[in-house]
Formats: sequence, structure tokens, C-alpha cells
Amino acid sequence: DTGVSQNPRHKITKRGQNVTFRCDPISEHNRLYWYRQTLGQGPEFLTYFQNEAQLEKSRLLSDRFSAERPKGSFSTLEIQRTEQGDSAMYLCASSLGRLVGSRDEQFFGPGTRLTVL
Amino acid sequence: SQKIEQNSEALNIQEGKTATLTCNYTNYSPAYLQWYRQDPGRGPVFLLLIRENEKEKRKERLKVTFDTTLKQSLFHITASQPADSATYLCALKAAGNKLTFGGGTRVLVKP
Repeated sequence: DTGVSQNPRHKITKRGQNVTFRCDPISEHNRLYWYRQTLGQGPEFLTYFQNEAQLEKSRLLSDRFSAERPKGSFSTLEIQRTEQGDSAMYLCASSLGRLVGSRDEQFFGPGTRLTVL
Repeated sequence: SQKIEQNSEALNIQEGKTATLTCNYTNYSPAYLQWYRQDPGRGPVFLLLIRENEKEKRKERLKVTFDTTLKQSLFHITASQPADSATYLCALKAAGNKLTFGGGTRVLVKP
């Protein structure tokens, strides 16, 4: 399978604990995005990387959140001191980062569902 | 403030009919607009992209229109099938490189 993969698929943690999620993008894609999605809502942009550089961060990304893409391949999203409001689906997506004909789609992974008790 | 609005009420439709979904936006000047499909527990899947200078785009049974004067896109599924049941999301690319998504509209096609 050459799609975007995310691990773990589910994570249950207690409030105050730290959690880390991993995303492996499609190999030739140089852009990688993180989104958060709550029930009944569309994905909300968190941050994106062009290769290893983090180029944009949403105001949603508080200082408890940090993302890395150290070698321009996989990425990690860490949430420190989790709160119940952090419970959501965390989606990763990757793209070529340029318009190719009429396509510039982002390819999404299956997401990591976080539950903070 | 910037807003992207999709009908939050589910759209129930009989098999074979045309489903029409709307995406309205305010305070954006999008370079293009995309539509994605999302099934429960899965990530969104790209369907169509339409640029600001295009009026209409088709792909198989799907049709998208884009009216930058009305600030609206319409998404049509013709000859709908139960397998089309899903949530459909519109997304705008404006300044920068991020996509901003609407809240999605759930479609249920009944046999």
C-alpha cells in the first residue's frame, strides 16, 4: 500500500499525559499537512511542512502542540499535557505541492482518533 | 470574518435522482475550490478541483459549478446510487498553501 499511513489509529489517554502521533506520507510528496477534525465538522488546518521546513501554523496550534518532519519524510505530532478538548481525529495529508493539470489534491491518511479521559 | 458554509442537514435522496449540494463562502478570493468525499472513520478522498476562471467541471456522474460572483459552488451527483452515501466536503485554497474546509454535508441515497 503506497498511501498515507498514520499510527496509532486509536489512542486513549488520561488528561495531562503527553501523546505522539506518526504520519508516513506518500514517498514522492514534499508537502505534509496536519488537520484536526471533530464530529460533524470538516478538517481544521493545524500546520504544514514543505520538505523538513514547517512553513505555516494555525492559531489553533497552541504551545502544547509541536510537529516535526526531521528528514523531510515522516512527521510526528506531539501534544503535551493533554486536555479533554484535544479529543478529536487527527488527520495527516500529503501532496506534490504543485498544480498538475487540474489536480492538486491532498491525499489523506486514515487518521488517529484521540480520546482524552 | 471568513466563512465556508455547507448545509449541515443531511440530504436524503432516492436512488437514481440527482443530489445537489451547496458550498457558500464569504471573505475569500479562492484560487480554486475542491470537493472531497469522506466515509465514516476514514480520511477525505479528493473528487474534483475547479479553478476560479472555470464555470463547470465534470467527472463521470459528478458535476461542479463555481460562481465567484455569488461566491458559491454547487456539487451534483447524477443518477445517485446507495454507494454514493457519504459526507461531501468543499475546500478552498486562498492565500498560502493550506486548504480550508467547510463542515460537510451528509448524503444518504436510499434504494
